[in-house]
Amino acid sequence: QSALTQPASVSGSPGQSITISCSGTSSDVGGNDYVSWYQQLPGKAPRVMIYDVNNRPSGVSIRFSASKSGNTASLTISGLQAEDEADYYCTSYTTSSTLVFGTGTKVTVL
Amino acid sequence: EVQLVESGGGLVQPGRSLRLSCTASGFTFSDYAMTWVRQAPGKGLEWVGFIRSSAFGGTTEYAASLKGRFTISRDDSKSIAYLQMNSLKTEDTAVYHCSRPTSGFESRLLDSWGQGTLVAVSS
Repeated sequence: QSALTQPASVSGSPGQSITISCSGTSSDVGGNDYVSWYQQLPGKAPRVMIYDVNNRPSGVSIRFSASKSGNTASLTISGLQAEDEADYYCTSYTTSSTLVFGTGTKVTVL
Repeated sequence: EVQLVESGGGLVQPGRSLRLSCTASGFTFSDYAMTWVRQAPGKGLEWVGFIRSSAFGGTTEYAASLKGRFTISRDDSKSIAYLQMNSLKTEDTAVYHCSRPTSGFESRLLDSWGQGTLVAVSS
């Protein structure tokens, strides 16, 4: 199972919106609605920001939204803030009952 | 409060074995599957595998690249999940996190994580 493909880095100025893509296959992203997004701050454990394609856990800012089309999922951060600077990973459940992570995207707030 | 604490990491020579433990508290351990995820230094997250709850037979699934060398088990009486790693390679050097999925059957959503334990494989 190959890792899902994400851009290595995305940057934006405070207040702007950015979008991170997550490209997979019909065996993972395109095969179910179990795509999640995790935020990892430096030296910290990951934290789930989005689950089941576009659902936010309680406590996650409404500035985080997500969607999926075909084999590609996307995470959008609106109103970018300095505290959003982190690494972001998508995950997808697979047809083999395993989980696959994306390659990770470093978000920089300019 | 859910707490997951990993232990057992350290420096090990290539070809040797190591067993990691994940001690859980704050929830009914036996109701949940448990997952291991690793992160090599400066690299991304990699799913290692998971074990279902005993209600679902305690069966396991592994990343294809690790199947055969790594084994996950659990002791519900002690609220501990284990990761047995055999024939270790230098590329297994990573921080190993345990995490708790939201169900007993699958590993698709990991809502609680431990801080991880570092395994360094080197001669």
